[in-house]
Amino acid sequence: DTGVSQDPRHKITKRGQNVTFRCDPISEHNRLYWYRQTLGQGPEFLTYFQNEAQLEKSRLLSDRFSAERPKGSFSTLEIQRTEQGDSAMYLCASSLSTGTGSAEAFFGQGTRLTVV
Amino acid sequence: AQSVSQHNHHVILSEAASLELGCNYSYGGTVNLFWYVQYPGQHLQLLLKYFSGDPLVKGIKGFEAEFIKSKFSFNLRKPSVQWSDTAEYFCAVNGGVSGTYKYIFGTGTRLKVLA
Repeated sequence: DTGVSQDPRHKITKRGQNVTFRCDPISEHNRLYWYRQTLGQGPEFLTYFQNEAQLEKSRLLSDRFSAERPKGSFSTLEIQRTEQGDSAMYLCASSLSTGTGSAEAFFGQGTRLTVV
Repeated sequence: AQSVSQHNHHVILSEAASLELGCNYSYGGTVNLFWYVQYPGQHLQLLLKYFSGDPLVKGIKGFEAEFIKSKFSFNLRKPSVQWSDTAEYFCAVNGGVSGTYKYIFGTGTRLKVLA
């Protein structure tokens, strides 16, 4: 299966620690997205890349969050000085852009973060 | 702000009942529309999508959706649900006048089908 892969699947961390998540998109996909999902809510947009360029970042995203996609392939999402409110499922998705921008996103299994 | 509304948060149906889940969006301009499903313990999967053309689109597992531009709606339907359709359903949109490629999701509808 060459779907979107996320690592780790689960992460428990103490408040104040830094965490980093990795996402490997479908290999030919040039767009990569990060979302956050909490119980009873839909996925909330965090940021997205086209190749290595970060094109949009949610205004809800604090400066403790940073994402990179250095070579236009895998991406990392880092959360510094974690807070209990950061506990959520972090989802990665990828898509293949077309001239019209119409494409579906393929999602990974997610990384469940618990901050204690 | 661009938004997607799903008015049914929880739906309980018996097997063989018909299903319609509402989705409304607040975008202007040309949009792309999606329905995703999340089965218990699994990742989000695409059910169906609308980019252009026939406003009635058919997806996997017998689902269909109708795009009504004048109502800014993209409701999901299935004539006869099965127990295996128990899942959470999310409507999503991208595009619009700003041409954004990010996907905006609704809050989801949790469907439970009773055997």
